[in-house]
Amino acid sequence: QKEVEQDPGPLSVPEGAIVSLNCTYSNSAFQYFMWYRQYSRKGPELLMYTYSSGNKEDGRFTAQVDKSSKYISLFIRDSQPSDSATYLCAMIMDSSYKLIFGSGTRLLVRP
Amino acid sequence: GAVVSQHPSWVICKSGTSVKIECRSLDFQATTMFWYRQFPKQSLMLMATSNEGSKATYEQGVEKDKFLINHASLTLSTLTVTSAHPEDSSFYICSARGLAGDLAKNIQYFGAGTRLSVL
Repeated sequence: QKEVEQDPGPLSVPEGAIVSLNCTYSNSAFQYFMWYRQYSRKGPELLMYTYSSGNKEDGRFTAQVDKSSKYISLFIRDSQPSDSATYLCAMIMDSSYKLIFGSGTRLLVRP
Repeated sequence: GAVVSQHPSWVICKSGTSVKIECRSLDFQATTMFWYRQFPKQSLMLMATSNEGSKATYEQGVEKDKFLINHASLTLSTLTVTSAHPEDSSFYICSARGLAGDLAKNIQYFGAGTRLSVL
């Protein structure tokens, strides 16, 4: 069983839709949670990072962490074609320096 | 925000030659830099971790003699693929972790990646 599970997609939605991306994890020692966006043949770009359970909002993006369920989500409101990319969840333990990535979800927002 | 510059973005080389990839943190000092490899439609695979002034720590299965890492300063790390072969063709990405702050220390900022094609 992988430490971090993420549906690879692809997820195809019409422009303007609300997108929900999710990851589950098995190790309760993970303390920091991040979402990265990666365009084709580019490096990952940090979108959101959170430490505690709850919601964190930044513009059209909302990151949600539920440590009791070991479940994290990223919501994208009013999705745009420019949001089409692969979204990677990542997490890290307080005692470690290694990022553990999900496999990434490919998102396609249709005009 | 934190910017990591990676160069070159794309390199084509002949089998048996060596290729050097540079990774620079432009607006912050990086205590630690990381090198990843990514195959098409797969997630990032950590190859090695380097701290300024010390030897790199390689992940299991990564040949340290083939992938030479040098972290000479707090803003520069290099990865040299020695005697490259076609199976080394891949997308290589570096990241850097900053110095200050409780949360900031855990965040990695990524370069744009280097696409290596070995003929």
